[in-house]
Amino acid sequence: GQSLEQPSEVTAVEGAIVQINCTYQTSGFYGLSWYQQHDGGAPTFLSYNALDGLEETGRFSSFLSRSDSYGYLLLQELQMKDSASYFCAVDSNYQLIWGAGTKLIIKP
Amino acid sequence: NAGVTQTPKFQVLKTGQSMTLQCAQDMNHNSMYWYRQDPGMGLRLIYYSASEGTTDKGEVPNGYNVSRLNKREFSLRLESAAPSQTSVYFCASKDRLNTEAFFGQGTRLTVV
Repeated sequence: GQSLEQPSEVTAVEGAIVQINCTYQTSGFYGLSWYQQHDGGAPTFLSYNALDGLEETGRFSSFLSRSDSYGYLLLQELQMKDSASYFCAVDSNYQLIWGAGTKLIIKP
Repeated sequence: NAGVTQTPKFQVLKTGQSMTLQCAQDMNHNSMYWYRQDPGMGLRLIYYSASEGTTDKGEVPNGYNVSRLNKREFSLRLESAAPSQTSVYFCASKDRLNTEAFFGQGTRLTVV
């Protein structure tokens, strides 16, 4: 079957850095995406990695290692508004397969 | 630019009733998706349409049917609603060559 594994919950302090890991096992792979979802809202796109390496977008960075079937999302200078759930998702043969999500709790 | 428009926002059904969730996108995307999200969980793919005229089952298709009416519209039908179908439903669209999926605002469905 196809699966993505990510931690269910991560806690960090405002202003700190946090890393959310994702490992995947899918029948096809075209890229790894990260999405943010606030309670009651729809997922919104954060970043995408099709090739190995680091992609940086402001305070957010995402990394991919295709040989290890592994990626992570790095959030820097955490703000209270970053409290949300974060999902990794794989483009696999026209499907978009999702992990169960990581709830990020930020403490002041 | 409306993006992905999904209706209705809220719906309460009695067991055995039927309904259709509507989704339309104005971004000329090829691929469209229907997901359900249960509390504290990720999105599970119900059906997807890689391009106009094609539909395929996802992870949890039982109890649902879909129609890709044209390139813009992708509807989800519950023929005989069951309490297990109580969930939040999201429609999404994505261009095959692009990276970002765009989501509708969600439909909160309760089956009693």
